[in-house]
Amino acid sequence: DVKVTQSSRYLVKRTGEKVFLECVQDMDHENMFWYRQDPGLGLRLIYFSYDVKMKEKGDIPEGYSVSREKKERFSLILESASTNQTSMYLCASSLPGQNNYGYTFGSGTRLTVV
Amino acid sequence: LAKTTQPISMDSYEGQEVNITCSHNNIATNDYITWYQQFPSQGPRFIIQGYKTKVTNEVASLFIPADRKSSTLSLPRVSLSDTAVYYCLVGDSRANAGNMLTFGGGTRLMVKP
Repeated sequence: DVKVTQSSRYLVKRTGEKVFLECVQDMDHENMFWYRQDPGLGLRLIYFSYDVKMKEKGDIPEGYSVSREKKERFSLILESASTNQTSMYLCASSLPGQNNYGYTFGSGTRLTVV
Repeated sequence: LAKTTQPISMDSYEGQEVNITCSHNNIATNDYITWYQQFPSQGPRFIIQGYKTKVTNEVASLFIPADRKSSTLSLPRVSLSDTAVYYCLVGDSRANAGNMLTFGGGTRLMVKP
């Protein structure tokens, strides 16, 4: 069963901490994405990557960075966590040039910043 | 990506057929219509995708009229486990650099016993 795995389901971090959210996919997908989901705001794209070491900003990249050193792994980094980054974070992957159904999502990481 | 409009919420009862309509008036020629389902505390899951007319799989049917300015997701004989948020997305399947998906607010379906 192919999957996207996010390393943590729940995280609690303190304001100012550097936070790493890890995502691994086993489908050999080129594209990987990080979304955050907040009540009333739906899913919003933070960053995406279409190849190793490549990254592109999404709609809300401020306060975040990403790392894609290997094809299967895409990390989201909160350089200095703030309370407004408390959210559900979802990772997804897909093949390039594929119909949108190619997106596979992980189960999400619920991050709380206190 | 084309903007979509769908109802915020819907209620239904077990065993009924549920139809969720999505409007996408400025859909482009190369755009496909895709529906995702999301349960609480999980990531969205692909349900069905289509370009025109009708598509059916083991989970749902998707009806797309000739002008493609709307689409209807049909769930036959829903059960309590179909309670979820359903997202309609429209996007160019040819787009590279990520095939970014833009999610709207979705439709929250509540199935009652």
